[in-house]
Amino acid sequence: GAVVSQHPSRVICKSGTSVKIECRSLDFQATTMFWYRQFPKQSLMLMATSNEGSKATYEQGVEKDKFLINHASLTLSTLTVTSAHPEDSSFYICSVRRRDYEQYFGPGTRLTVT
Amino acid sequence: GQNIDQPTEMTATEGAIVQINCTYQTSGFNGLFWYQQHAGEAPTFLSYNVLDGLEEKGRFSSFLSRSKGYSYLLLKELQMKDSASYLCAPLDSNYQLIWGAGTKLIIKP
Repeated sequence: GAVVSQHPSRVICKSGTSVKIECRSLDFQATTMFWYRQFPKQSLMLMATSNEGSKATYEQGVEKDKFLINHASLTLSTLTVTSAHPEDSSFYICSVRRRDYEQYFGPGTRLTVT
Repeated sequence: GQNIDQPTEMTATEGAIVQINCTYQTSGFNGLFWYQQHAGEAPTFLSYNVLDGLEEKGRFSSFLSRSKGYSYLLLKELQMKDSASYLCAPLDSNYQLIWGAGTKLIIKP
């Protein structure tokens, strides 16, 4: 069965609004979760590493004030895209890392900003 | 810098065998993963190699040579459902996955 869930799977929002994406670890407690973004026909781009109980670590070039990450519990991390614009339209994927460094991916969230 | 090199696209015939090669350069090395990604979906785990040699798992096998910075994924008895992108992703010294663009595999009847 699924190890990681994401909600919603698809979302369409208007430019200027905010969207929250949830990532849940179903099978084990995860102190670390990752958020990726993938544009069509491009590789996965790591946006940030979400650490339970502390601030997320953002990759260079990712605006932390625009992409708010909250890792409130060992099984839940949320990504909020604030003041979304059409260029934020993308496939957002979270992943959870086990002790053996294997990463399990959520099913992804396709965001379309109109 | 860190770099992954895989062919962009490969085509193979149903029932045949295909080998997808990957060369990498990373800051440190803690193993290498292969993932499968169907269009519009998230990646799914295929294999993990940390020692040199071949790991076989059903129709899929993965090989690693750390000294050469080289890995390959071997797919046997190809099925139409194997049409997907295959991502080679080494772990660097910080245990962070380094992603390339992947290889799009097209299976023809």
